[in-house]
Amino acid sequence: EVQLVETGGGLIQPGGSLRLSCAASGFTVSTNYMSWVRQAPGKGLEWVSIIYSGGNTHYADSVKGRFTISRDNSNNTVYLQMNSLRPDDTAVYYCARAPVAVAPFHHWGQGTLVTVSS
Amino acid sequence: EIVLTQSPATLSLSPGERATLSCRASQSVSSYLAWYQHKPGQAPRLLIIDASNRATGIPARFSGSGSGTDFTLTISSLEPEDFAVYYCQQRSNWPPKYTFGQGTKLEIK
Repeated sequence: EVQLVETGGGLIQPGGSLRLSCAASGFTVSTNYMSWVRQAPGKGLEWVSIIYSGGNTHYADSVKGRFTISRDNSNNTVYLQMNSLRPDDTAVYYCARAPVAVAPFHHWGQGTLVTVSS
Repeated sequence: EIVLTQSPATLSLSPGERATLSCRASQSVSSYLAWYQHKPGQAPRLLIIDASNRATGIPARFSGSGSGTDFTLTISSLEPEDFAVYYCQQRSNWPPKYTFGQGTKLEIK
């Protein structure tokens, strides 16, 4: 059974950094396309970043230069390093899996809440 | 950048009724459109792939149609568990970006 479990969320001050983790089971992250998607309070879904099976990465314009996606194949885990956090980064962050680059997100985690506030 | 516009923003219906949700793209996305169901506190759930194919385990009362710029998600007879927010989503080829519509809230009348 495919399972994605996000951890690492919390309350952080503006300008701070946080690293989110997404532990996967039931499949191998290195052969799939792993994304982070977020939902701000009262808003819709917003794609944030993706890491391809080959290792290429892509970002939404809103986070480019501040966020970095990576993975640890030995731990079957995907990460999102978030720097220079702003109040508008406040959201529930979901990890999601696609089997190929052009596919939609077949599996999602339950999400982890990030709150950026002083 | 392709923009997806969903309508209506809110749809109020009763169990047993038919629901029709719309998603319009600002330019053609061919058939590369997906639909998701999202309930508060839960993970989003993939319903429809490539405009009209049900994802694994999705009941037959859910169906998708359309191509190009106009797409529809139909729920033939609403069950109590179907009341949720529904999103359409597409992927642009280059640079790779994944866009969601703003969502349609399906609520119990």
